[in-house]
Amino acid sequence: RKEVEQDPGPFNVPEGATVAFNCTYSNSASQSFFWYRQDCRKEPKLLMSVYSSGNEDGRFTAQLNRASQYISLLIRDSKLSDSATYLCVVNGVTGGGNKLTFGTGTQLKVEL
Amino acid sequence: EPEVTQTPSHQVTQMGQEVILRCVPISNHLYFYWYRQILGQKVEFLVSFYNNEISEKSEIFDDQFSVERPDGSNFTLKIRSTKLEDSAMYFCASSRMTSGIDEQFFGPGTRLTVL
Repeated sequence: RKEVEQDPGPFNVPEGATVAFNCTYSNSASQSFFWYRQDCRKEPKLLMSVYSSGNEDGRFTAQLNRASQYISLLIRDSKLSDSATYLCVVNGVTGGGNKLTFGTGTQLKVEL
Repeated sequence: EPEVTQTPSHQVTQMGQEVILRCVPISNHLYFYWYRQILGQKVEFLVSFYNNEISEKSEIFDDQFSVERPDGSNFTLKIRSTKLEDSAMYFCASSRMTSGIDEQFFGPGTRLTVL
């Protein structure tokens, strides 16, 4: 099983749609979880951290299910500017300090 | 807003040559990292660095790689004898702490092309 697994997409959605991304991770001892956003040929940028209680930031909602080792990201009312690759990122998958382990990313294309 | 900077943005080199990639982390950060991303693939951890020594390194980070903090601001990655498969985007990152939940801020990357 891959350390962090995501559906690569692409997800092509119309503007205003709601879209959900899922991610699974292999190590139950993982400590911290994040969604990063990466635009084409750019650096990853933190979108939001993911907490067990779930958290929301504007149109974005992240959920963590530790029992299922599953992380999700929901984007409501999607905008053209949301088009990017969304990276599921886990800290401490292999037991080492602050090493981030990235999924391959899910590509989102928001269309008019 | 403070940011991580990297130079050069693009480096082209011949196989077997040495390259040094440079990074200036955010000034009050104490933890530094290098990641790489081969075109079309995921971002991969290379090495973390704290208090002038390597904290952790991946299997990718073999004897051909080294890191250094030569002064109070720069953080460098050296590849001694480049191979074709070293062609990738190399990202430097920094964080204030290593608490696990502390955000790592990434630089814009250096695209390394080995011919």
